[in-house]
Amino acid sequence: AQKITQTQPGMFVQEKEAVTLDCTYDTSDQSYGLFWYKQPSSGEMIFLIYQGSYDEQNATEGRYSLNFQKARKSANLVISASQLGDSAMYFCAMSNFGNEKLTFGTGTRLTIIP
Amino acid sequence: ETGVTQTPRHLVMGMTNKKSLKCEQHLGHNAMYWYKQSAKKPLELMFVYNFKEQTENNSVPSRFSPECPNSSHLFLHLHTLQPEDSALYLCASSQETSGRMADTQYFGPGTRLTVL
Repeated sequence: AQKITQTQPGMFVQEKEAVTLDCTYDTSDQSYGLFWYKQPSSGEMIFLIYQGSYDEQNATEGRYSLNFQKARKSANLVISASQLGDSAMYFCAMSNFGNEKLTFGTGTRLTIIP
Repeated sequence: ETGVTQTPRHLVMGMTNKKSLKCEQHLGHNAMYWYKQSAKKPLELMFVYNFKEQTENNSVPSRFSPECPNSSHLFLHLHTLQPEDSALYLCASSQETSGRMADTQYFGPGTRLTVL
């Protein structure tokens, strides 16, 4: 069975600062993918970034980067130069290759302070 | 329309009503999903359809009945719901990559359901 743990229920960060959202995972499989999603108050779950278990480089998408440490089973999301629009819930998730089941963590509520 | 759309966005219904949630994906994907998101709980996968065939039913009560007429449309038919079924219902779609990587799911905006 897979498990995602997000230990930060809430974070407050000053605008323009970088922020790291923690995610650890547990799986016995070798082939898996890790995802981060953003959920604003409107409800839509927005895909941000993906990291495959065999990817040697950390994934980056604009201001988002994923700090993948396979041995520690961690997949932290780093947001550089935070903006007010980054205030939202952030969910870490994972699934195995070829398996549609996506396991989500409980999320971190990020609030950017002007 | 682009991405994944869901209608209605908000729904209030009594316990004896029958209603349906609709999801449409414009991404050319072949898999569609229903999720339930209750307050202070992780997202719960309800149903998975792959090429219109149901491949997952995550022990969902029979008062929730999914329908997938084609790979672009997904419905969730609701009848005799309970107040604890009040939640945000999210639809998602993905393109199966035949095990070469984990498939990215793209979500709709959700339907916020209140059962009185």
